[in-house]
Amino acid sequence: GAVVSQHPSRVICKSGTSVKIECRSLDFQATTMFWYRQFPKQSLMLMATSNEGSKATYEQGVEKDKFLINHASLTLSTLTVTSAHPEDSSFYICSARVPPLPYEQYFGPGTRLTVT
Amino acid sequence: KQEVTQIPAALSVPEGENLVLNCSFTDSAIYNLQWFRQDPGKGLTSLLLIQSSQREQTSGRLNASLDKSSGRSTLYIAASQPGDSATYLCAAVLMDSNYQLIWGAGTKLIIKP
Repeated sequence: GAVVSQHPSRVICKSGTSVKIECRSLDFQATTMFWYRQFPKQSLMLMATSNEGSKATYEQGVEKDKFLINHASLTLSTLTVTSAHPEDSSFYICSARVPPLPYEQYFGPGTRLTVT
Repeated sequence: KQEVTQIPAALSVPEGENLVLNCSFTDSAIYNLQWFRQDPGKGLTSLLLIQSSQREQTSGRLNASLDKSSGRSTLYIAASQPGDSATYLCAAVLMDSNYQLIWGAGTKLIIKP
């Protein structure tokens, strides 16, 4: 199956700093990627849909200026958490939609962000 | 609004048993339904995808069924093993949602040796 990687797998940063998380599709081109956030013992929450070459579409309640998403190529999308605070600590997972239909989604291994 | 529900929230069974995980959805206008596995602290692994025109899909010891009319999908695991212990998530793709996944809360499965 299709492989999606994320980097880094874990990151610890200080409050007020910014952190960038990369999501790559390794063996296919992904025009659409998704960014999710997962709190402990909860299901995934969709944050935004990332489309190559255009602005991301954010879900209601997700701050666009805080969670910057860039999808500059068909194999790479990045999520930057700006001015991170402890409440941003979470597990962030990306996925890539594999064309053509039925558009199965493949997921990255996730990034554990801890803000101290 | 499409809602996806998974029952039970947690399940513990002895090794070797066959088991069924349930997933229900409120809107029958789905495009497909996917089952995923998530190990603690890890990402998701896609297990099976059933398109709306299909009734079931099989992969090894796993069999997933789809009944759109009743709004239900089941994941059947045969001859369970301790390595099957994980959280199992189902997600439905709506026809009019830009193919976004609508998630269930998951079933945490523990297989006791």
